[in-house]
Amino acid sequence: GAVVSQHPSWVICKSGTSVKIECRSLDFQATTMFWYRQFPKQSLMLMATSNEGSKATYEQGVEKDKFLINHASLTLSTLTVTSAHPEDSSFYICSARDSRSGTNYGYTFGSGTRLTVV
Amino acid sequence: DQQVKQNSPSLSVQEGRISILNCDYTNSMFDYFLWYKKYPAEGPTFLISISSIKDKNEDGRFTVFLNKSAKHLSLHIVPSQPGDSAVYFCAASEEPGNTPLVFGKGTRLSVIA
Repeated sequence: GAVVSQHPSWVICKSGTSVKIECRSLDFQATTMFWYRQFPKQSLMLMATSNEGSKATYEQGVEKDKFLINHASLTLSTLTVTSAHPEDSSFYICSARDSRSGTNYGYTFGSGTRLTVV
Repeated sequence: DQQVKQNSPSLSVQEGRISILNCDYTNSMFDYFLWYKKYPAEGPTFLISISSIKDKNEDGRFTVFLNKSAKHLSLHIVPSQPGDSAVYFCAASEEPGNTPLVFGKGTRLSVIA
């Protein structure tokens, strides 16, 4: 089945630095990928929709200058958390849709990245 | 504005009994519904789905029921097993193309041996 690889699985960084998270579709092409954020014991909140070759679409309240999304190819989207602060500490999950579909309607998730900013 | 609601944050069930997890939605444009199981610091694992043209879908121990007029769906797990203990998320989509899934807040299921 479709596989989405997300890297790194966890990262610790200092306040003020930037962190890049990669999301790759391994066996399918994804023109659209989605980035979610989950705070402890909370829901998965959509941050942005990443579109290959064009600008990402951000959800209301998500700072596009802080959370930079680049979808440079059909198999790779990156999320860069710039000038990270402790409040950015969270679990970030990417998702891509495999158009070959299936009972999950093609929605495939990465394993997530736990970001801790100290 | 929460479009997908899971009003029970937690549920405890005895092993072997039925677990029923509920989900309500407000967006009448949602036509595709999925249930996921999730552990901390892991991505969600797909369990079962249903589209609005059906009212029931069954896969092994998991059955999802959809009441479109009430904008309500439920996940039944029977018999419940200790390994089912996790957080369960309901998610919905208008169209599985370029539209994202919208998630509920989740229900933590504990299956007691």
